[in-house]
Amino acid sequence: SQKIEQNSEALNIQEGKTATLTCNYTNYSPAYLQWYRQDPGRGPVFLLLIRENEKEKRKERLKVTFDTTLKQSLFHITASQPADSATYLCALDSAGGGNKLTFGTGTQLKVEL
Amino acid sequence: GAVVSQHPSWVICKSGTSVKIECRSLDFQATTMFWYRQFPKQSLMLMATSNEGSKATYEQGVEKDKFLINHASLTLSTLTVTSAHPEDSSFYICSAAGEATYNSPLHFGNGTRLTVT
Repeated sequence: SQKIEQNSEALNIQEGKTATLTCNYTNYSPAYLQWYRQDPGRGPVFLLLIRENEKEKRKERLKVTFDTTLKQSLFHITASQPADSATYLCALDSAGGGNKLTFGTGTQLKVEL
Repeated sequence: GAVVSQHPSWVICKSGTSVKIECRSLDFQATTMFWYRQFPKQSLMLMATSNEGSKATYEQGVEKDKFLINHASLTLSTLTVTSAHPEDSSFYICSAAGEATYNSPLHFGNGTRLTVT
């Protein structure tokens, strides 16, 4: 079955630095991968989607890469701010198709002043 | 943008009672909605796919008689936890795709914190 791994340890970085989060997957070749942000006690919010034939996607301070050979996606936040502190989830399309997603456990990011 | 409203945001119930959670798409129609459950420090686990006008599709290991799903209209899906027990205490989140196309991002409600005493 699909397996998605995200660093379970919290990532602490200083304001202004670039945060890099990793998503690794096995036993599957997804057609696309999505990144979501989740704040405590709230539902996830969609950030970016990248397709298997895309190497990189950008949106404002966010950048996502997708390496289908390494089976890995990297999520970057440049010029990080304390407001970026949250848990970031990666999600893959499920083998069942449609809009069904399988989520990773998420990585908590803390941006300190 | 597409908004999904979930109600209630939290509920406390006694063991053995049933609880209904509503999920509404406010400004778009959703033929398909998804129900997830999330335990502390864990990922979202898909429970079932709710299809308007037809029976829900449950993931392996999810009891369909315990977690009743009804998708009566294109904007409303409900999840009823029947005969709730303390182990059902969790964070339940619904979501819907803004578009019917494959790989559309999901829009999530803000979740319902269920505590069963």
